[in-house]
Amino acid sequence: EPEVTQTPSHQVTQMGQEVILRCVPISNHLYFYWYRQILGQKVEFLVSFYNNEISEKSEIFDDQFSVERPDGSNFTLKIRSTKLEDSAMYFCASTRGGILEQYFGPGTRLTVT
Amino acid sequence: RKEVEQDPGPFNVPEGATVAFNCTYSNSASQSFFWYRQDCRKEPKLLMSVYSSGNEDGRFTAQLNRASQYISLLIRDSKLSDSATYLCVVNTPGSNYQLIWGAGTKLIIKP
Repeated sequence: EPEVTQTPSHQVTQMGQEVILRCVPISNHLYFYWYRQILGQKVEFLVSFYNNEISEKSEIFDDQFSVERPDGSNFTLKIRSTKLEDSAMYFCASTRGGILEQYFGPGTRLTVT
Repeated sequence: RKEVEQDPGPFNVPEGATVAFNCTYSNSASQSFFWYRQDCRKEPKLLMSVYSSGNEDGRFTAQLNRASQYISLLIRDSKLSDSATYLCVVNTPGSNYQLIWGAGTKLIIKP
């Protein structure tokens, strides 16, 4: 069964450094998403991506965040200058159609020290 | 009012019991509804999509009441492996179809 994959599984970085989180969505899916979950809190929407552009972003997704689909398979989330409060699990998700169920990758645990 | 509200937990129930989760959503234009389960420090996994007519998958039954903006999940004959956090998730209309998440209800099944 096809699945969403994410790398790395755990990333430790120092405050102020840039990180890139990588995702490979399910191959025939068209909509891509990033979510984050701070430990013990609910899942929060960051950004959605369709047709090679951002379709919506949340208040969390400020200028330090960017997303890219550099080729036909990878979908990346870049955080330019990490802050302590960026420490969280970051989940990538994809779906074939907007209203359909989304499938999640295993997540990247980001720890900012 | 929160966009998606769920029963506060945790629910501690004995193995074999029936468990019911309730959820309400605020946006009457919401189009799709899901139950996900999340194990500790793992990704959310789709448990069931919820359809207007109600749907069943083995021990799991989901119901949707659009008039009351209410979603439910019933687990019959609960098993130890059902222990997890159950998340009510609603898909909002618009160009992005982002998922709006409930805070989740933790379920602990005791032997």
